[in-house]
Amino acid sequence: DVKVTQSSRYLVKRTGEKVFLECVQDMDHENMFWYRQDPGLGLRLIYFSYDVKMKEKGDIPEGYSVSREKKERFSLILESASTNQTSMYLCASIRRVSDTQYFGPGTRLTVL
Amino acid sequence: GEDVEQSLFLSVREGDSSVINCTYTDSSSTYLYWYKQEPGAGLQLLTYIFSNMDMKQDQRLTVLLNKKDKHLSLRIADTQTGDSAIYFCAESNRGGNEKLTFGTGTRLTIIP
Repeated sequence: DVKVTQSSRYLVKRTGEKVFLECVQDMDHENMFWYRQDPGLGLRLIYFSYDVKMKEKGDIPEGYSVSREKKERFSLILESASTNQTSMYLCASIRRVSDTQYFGPGTRLTVL
Repeated sequence: GEDVEQSLFLSVREGDSSVINCTYTDSSSTYLYWYKQEPGAGLQLLTYIFSNMDMKQDQRLTVLLNKKDKHLSLRIADTQTGDSAIYFCAESNRGGNEKLTFGTGTRLTIIP
């Protein structure tokens, strides 16, 4: 069974803290994605990675960075969390020739 | 860049058909998708259509694609309370990185 897991379902952090969100997939997919979901805005792509150690900026990369040291793991890093980064964060993965993007359950991050 | 638009809300009586609409701007879109997000959950792929098709049916779901008008719709027959969710339209142009562009999502509410 296909699986994308995210390290936390809920997270509360303070302004200025460094935050790590982890995503792991067990399907040997090359491509992995980080989105944030906000009401009325849908899903917006933050960063994606099409191979180990490769990354590309999505539509809203500011304030974020990513790390892909192993194929199965894609980490989203908030270097200095701010209140406007309070959101639902969704990770997804896809095989290069597949037509299905698999999503994790999401991490709801609150920055106080 | 690409843009995908949806209405934010739709209310339908139980047993009626629901029709969720989506418009997109990218004329090179090759795949169009419908995802469902139930409360507190990640996104689940419902169905997809390739751009050279104009209709696809899968049990209670019918997808219609008007490529000329760049209009996609999802019809759910005999809508049930379990269909309450947010429905996202998404498109990709298979540029090699499987990047998806999502709409804002339509929240479907079922009236008993």
